[in-house]
Amino acid sequence: DTGVSQDPRHKITKRGQNVTFRCDPISEHNRLYWYRQTLGQGPEFLTYFQNEAQLEKSRLLSDRFSAERPKGSFSTLEIQRTEQGDSAMYLCASSYGYEQYFGPGTRLTVT
Amino acid sequence: AQKVTQAQTEISVVEKEDVTLDCVYETRDTTYYLFWYKQPPSGELVFLIRRNSFDEQNEISGRYSWNFQKSTSSFNFTITASQVVDSAVYFCALSSLGDDMRFGAGTRLTVKP
Repeated sequence: DTGVSQDPRHKITKRGQNVTFRCDPISEHNRLYWYRQTLGQGPEFLTYFQNEAQLEKSRLLSDRFSAERPKGSFSTLEIQRTEQGDSAMYLCASSYGYEQYFGPGTRLTVT
Repeated sequence: AQKVTQAQTEISVVEKEDVTLDCVYETRDTTYYLFWYKQPPSGELVFLIRRNSFDEQNEISGRYSWNFQKSTSSFNFTITASQVVDSAVYFCALSSLGDDMRFGAGTRLTVKP
């Protein structure tokens, strides 16, 4: 059984550019979560989906951030007009029960 | 508001020592779930255990054991006879009803040979 996968693993972009990350959850999992992790901190919740419905968004998720999960399968997280403060590891997790299983993350560096 | 506190930022032990990682949580919910995750140097978070608020029974899995005490709002994690491969950052997390998880800041454990 394959785990959660994320693409790309690393992304370097210039300030002001748009970036999009993809997450493929474990196939039978109906919930999908996005987190952001900065150096020396624990992951911070951004948003989550149950099937295709986006059920909760953190106040960390400014209007430059948007997430989708079409057809309740993979999900994308887009950041528009990136800022240096967006540099972080973006983690995706999926679940069927209460425990969440994490992907390897996408490390974003904004220069 | 939910909060998880891991007061120990870094711990260093010598191989074969026992080590306990502390976790204290705050929540107003009566139903909640507590978790421990391991983040090795490779970076991927690995699920270790889930405990629900109705089950205070301690659990042992090999060299790992967990002590859940609602009276002190603590969910501590002990590694017995630590090994170099246990070196990682360990996170305690709290969730209600399976929605977003609130993580602590993590404890970096270094096990020296």
